[in-house]
Amino acid sequence: EAGVAQSPRYKIIEKRQSVAFWCNPISGHATLYWYQQILGQGPKLLIQFQNNGVVDDSQLPKDRFSAERLKGVDSTLKIQPAKLEDSAVYLCASSLQLGDTQYFGPGTRLTVL
Amino acid sequence: SQQGEEDPQALSIQEGENATMNCSYKTSINNLQWYRQNSGRGLVHLILIRSNEREKHSGRLRVTLDTSKKSSSLLITASRAADTASYFCATASGGSNYKLTFGKGTLLTVNP
Repeated sequence: EAGVAQSPRYKIIEKRQSVAFWCNPISGHATLYWYQQILGQGPKLLIQFQNNGVVDDSQLPKDRFSAERLKGVDSTLKIQPAKLEDSAVYLCASSLQLGDTQYFGPGTRLTVL
Repeated sequence: SQQGEEDPQALSIQEGENATMNCSYKTSINNLQWYRQNSGRGLVHLILIRSNEREKHSGRLRVTLDTSKKSSSLLITASRAADTASYFCATASGGSNYKLTFGKGTLLTVNP
């Protein structure tokens, strides 16, 4: 069974630039999550979708971050404009339904200069 | 905000020894989960223990949960070099707004 796919794996940008990350969850998984993991810390939930609806985005900095999951499958996370403190690994995860075991992708390592 | 706090922050042991990591949390939970993260395989789910369970086993892993003390422990027996990784506890809370909150992790190094 194919796992959660993410791209790109690495991205380097300058502050104030924009960046987008893409995630393809495991086939059939209704729930999709985006996490931010800063070096030396655990993952922090940014947003979670159930199909194409947002379940929770309370920790998403909505002034610069946006996410969508059109058609309830793939998802994109965008940062515009990026700040230095956005440097982190962005992890996508999916689960069969809300509350089920989450499976994580390899992540996208973002460096903001 | 981080709900779980792992202890110790770092642990170094010899192959064959047991490793114990602890996790404390602040609010009531539905369940508590342990994850492993290394550069090779990313973040992987290890085991889940529900709030009404006290102990659970999976292979060389043993997890305990004490809801009165709001704490959990993960024991890895007969450790191997391949167990070298960061270990995170994650607390699950909420009903329709179910979500995981991760701690900062314990870095385990198993020396051959």
